[in-house]
Amino acid sequence: GENVEQHPSTLSVQEGDSAVIKCTYSDSASNYFPWYKQELGKRPQLIIDIRSNVGEKKDQRIAVTLNKTAKHFSLHITETQPEDSAVYFCAASMNSGYALNFGKGTSLLVTP
Amino acid sequence: EAQVTQNPRYLITVTGKKLTVTCSQNMNHEYMSWYRQDPGLGLRQIYYSMNVEVTDKGDVPEGYKVSRKEKRNFPLILESPSPNQTSLYFCASSFGRGSGELFFGEGSRLTVL
Repeated sequence: GENVEQHPSTLSVQEGDSAVIKCTYSDSASNYFPWYKQELGKRPQLIIDIRSNVGEKKDQRIAVTLNKTAKHFSLHITETQPEDSAVYFCAASMNSGYALNFGKGTSLLVTP
Repeated sequence: EAQVTQNPRYLITVTGKKLTVTCSQNMNHEYMSWYRQDPGLGLRQIYYSMNVEVTDKGDVPEGYKVSRKEKRNFPLILESPSPNQTSLYFCASSFGRGSGELFFGEGSRLTVL
């Protein structure tokens, strides 16, 4: 099945800096790549997603880029704020959302 | 309010005592899924269901059963729980048909002694 690798596992940045989290996937048939944010003690929630027919997508301070040739995608957070501190999961699916395979997560800490 | 509801939220049980974690959604979603979350391992899919009476194994189905007799409910059954099933469990649902976004329940923390 699909294997999703996520790096780094932990990331610490200062408030206002940018943060980048990278993921690679193994199956070239994957066509849907969401990112979920999980705050401490809470449920994961979708923050942004991208489909294989798009190379980049932005939503305010967050953006996701996709390189299908290299089979990797990245989450970019600009002007980080303490409330961005959370665990971020990338995921990939071959069926537009069914049977999502998640990466192991990145714990992001934004220090004031 | 649109939501995915899991019960119980917390449970401590003993090895071998059958238990069921219920999951219900009120959004008329076709797709439902169970994940377990363990430190350092992320979210791993146990089972999923694309519609009523249609279920399929995820990556870690051993020791679990599911059923989908009604669209809104997708219970997770542990017939004979073992300590390695101690975990945080999430139920999730989506509209399916390529809609993408998964809506997660609040999670059920299960401890098997």
